[in-house]
Amino acid sequence: EVQLVESGGNLVQPGGSLRLSCAVSGFTFSSYWMSWVRQAPGKGLEWVANIKEDGSEKYYVDSVKGRFSISRDNAKDSLYLQMNSLTAEDTAVYYCARYIRRRDSSKDYYYVDLWGRGTLVTVSS
Amino acid sequence: DIQLTQSPSFLSASVGERVTITCRASQGISSYLAWYQQKPGKAPELLIYGTSTLQSGVPSRFSGSGSGTEFTLTISSLQPEDFATYYCQQFKSYPLTFGGGTKVEIK
Repeated sequence: EVQLVESGGNLVQPGGSLRLSCAVSGFTFSSYWMSWVRQAPGKGLEWVANIKEDGSEKYYVDSVKGRFSISRDNAKDSLYLQMNSLTAEDTAVYYCARYIRRRDSSKDYYYVDLWGRGTLVTVSS
Repeated sequence: DIQLTQSPSFLSASVGERVTITCRASQGISSYLAWYQQKPGKAPELLIYGTSTLQSGVPSRFSGSGSGTEFTLTISSLQPEDFATYYCQQFKSYPLTFGGGTKVEIK
C-alpha cells in the first residue's frame, strides 16, 4: 500500500525550530520528486518546497527561503523539512506529497498525485 | 510569480446540477494545470492534471478544459460526495501556486 506519513509537528515558540519528517512506503521513493505543501487553519493550500529525486535541485516559496530546508534520505525512504526562525505565519498543517514530472507522447505533465495526512505545526508563545 | 484566481470562491448547488469553476492565470501557463478536491479534515486529492486528463479512479462526471490563462473544472451532475473545496495549481514555473479555492456547498 502506498503511504506517506508525516511526523514532527508540534507547538513551538516564535523564533524556534522544528524538523518535519515524512516516511514513505509502497513505491520507489528515490525515483520521484517530492513536495511539501502547507495549509494555514481555515485557509487555502500553499506550496512550500520541492526536491529532485537525488536531492540535487531544491525550490522554495519566497516566504520560507533562508529559513526552511528540504532534504531527503533515499536509503531511509524519508523526506524532511527543517524549519528555522518560525513565526506565527508558519502555523499550518504541513503535507508531504509526491510530485510527478513525466513525458507522454512528447507532452510534459506535472502534478501532485499522492498526499500524506499532514502534521500540524503551531507557532505561538 | 504566477497568480491563480478562482471563481466563484463559493457556490451553492443542488444534487444533479452542472457546476463550473474557473481558474484564471496572471500569465500563460500552457496546459500545466491540475485540479484537486479537498474535504474537511482531509488531504487534497488529485482530480485532473495537464488541464484535462482525468486521474485514474476519478468519476467521469469531472472534466477539465482550457489553455493559456483560462481554465475550467466542470462537474456534469453534482453528487452528494462532491461537496468539497476545489483548488487549481499551476506548474508552469516556480513558485508553484494554487488558486484560492472554491467551496461547493449543498443548496
